[in-house]
Amino acid sequence: DAGVIQSPRHEVTEMGQEVTLRCKPISGHDYLFWYRQTMMRGLELLIYFNNNVPIDDSGMPEDRFSAKMPNASFSTLKIQPSEPRDSAVYFCASSLGPGPGYEQYFGPGTRLTVT
Amino acid sequence: QQPVQSPQAVILREGEDAVINCSSSKALYSVHWYRQKHGEAPVFLMILLKGGEQKGHDKISASFNEKKQQSSLYLTASQLSYSGTYFCGTAIQGAQKLVFGQGTRLTINP
Repeated sequence: DAGVIQSPRHEVTEMGQEVTLRCKPISGHDYLFWYRQTMMRGLELLIYFNNNVPIDDSGMPEDRFSAKMPNASFSTLKIQPSEPRDSAVYFCASSLGPGPGYEQYFGPGTRLTVT
Repeated sequence: QQPVQSPQAVILREGEDAVINCSSSKALYSVHWYRQKHGEAPVFLMILLKGGEQKGHDKISASFNEKKQQSSLYLTASQLSYSGTYFCGTAIQGAQKLVFGQGTRLTINP
């Protein structure tokens, strides 16, 4: 298996622009998680899906952030408009079952820089 | 609520042992351990479920003290490849998500 795939790996954009991050989970995994990692705040869960349905988006920082999972093999995280404080590494992870009892497989991440 | 990891950083020589702790103020159902090397994604090490079990593979093991709501990760006879940042992720009963600690940076020198 190819593992969790994320694109792009690096994104540099200007403040105010729309940014779309993409994720392809491991086939057969029913749970998909979006995390953000910064030095200050560590690894934060933004949102997670079960069978393509968003279950908990309490970690999404603002209305500027939105996430979708139109099918079992694709998810997007969109930031519109982007701000410098959104600069971080964004990870997508997938697992066979709910977080507590199942290993999470992380993608390589997207390093976002907003200038 | 975010679990607290200690120490925040540790430097060892190859062959020495290390212990990393992860504590929570809430009653835990499970604890995950991950290792992240610089510029890479976190990689799963092990899961410990409520019940105080101990797990391990190779020279890395972990325990879960249910009474103290604490987990400890033990790295024995450390190797250069053990360097990285170690994260614990915790979940309370009924939760479907993990909350990660701030991480412990482990540096192994030759």
